[in-house]
Amino acid sequence: QVHLVQSGAEVRKPGSSVKVSCKVSGGTFSGRAISWVRQAPGQGLEWMGGSFPVVDTAIYAQKFQGRVTIIADDSTSTGYMELRSLRSDDTAVYYCARRHGGDGYFDYWGQGTLVTVSS
Amino acid sequence: DIQMTQSPSSLSASVGDRVTITCRASQNIITSLHWYQQKPGKAPNLLIYAASTLQTGVPSRFSGSGSGTDFTLTISSLQPEDFATYYCQQSYTAGTFGGGTKVEIK
Repeated sequence: QVHLVQSGAEVRKPGSSVKVSCKVSGGTFSGRAISWVRQAPGQGLEWMGGSFPVVDTAIYAQKFQGRVTIIADDSTSTGYMELRSLRSDDTAVYYCARRHGGDGYFDYWGQGTLVTVSS
Repeated sequence: DIQMTQSPSSLSASVGDRVTITCRASQNIITSLHWYQQKPGKAPNLLIYAASTLQTGVPSRFSGSGSGTDFTLTISSLQPEDFATYYCQQSYTAGTFGGGTKVEIK
């Protein structure tokens, strides 16, 4: 059984950065197929970006270009998402999810990490 | 980026009702469309992938159809555990979610 376990809740001040981890266990894939989705309080799901093994690079949603970095550490089967220049409207639950290579759907999800941005 | 528009944004229904949710893509995405269910405080759960394929373990009352730009999620007979929010997601280019449809008890 595949499990994605994320790091714990974070509190940050505006202008700072946060890095969330997502460790993959079970299955045969590494962190290279991990995407990140966030959900602000009471709002919908927002895809931020993800690692794409086929092109061996990360692809980001236009909204987050230049402010987010997604990397994967194959040696520890862990994916990371770093968001910089945090604002109050970045307060959200951040999810990692495994992207199925063939069809691109998200079949396994982490438990979510609450990031609170407040002065 | 491809835009995904879901409708309605919310609906009220009774147990046993047939419920239909639609999702429209801003360009042709063939069948690269997937549906998720999310309950409060939980991560989303995959229901249907590639427009019409039921994920393992998902009840057969859920079905999906469509191709190109217009897609539909149908719940044939709404059950108490189906009250939740539903999202569509395209994977034709990277990934974008629809705005969600909240299914509430009438």
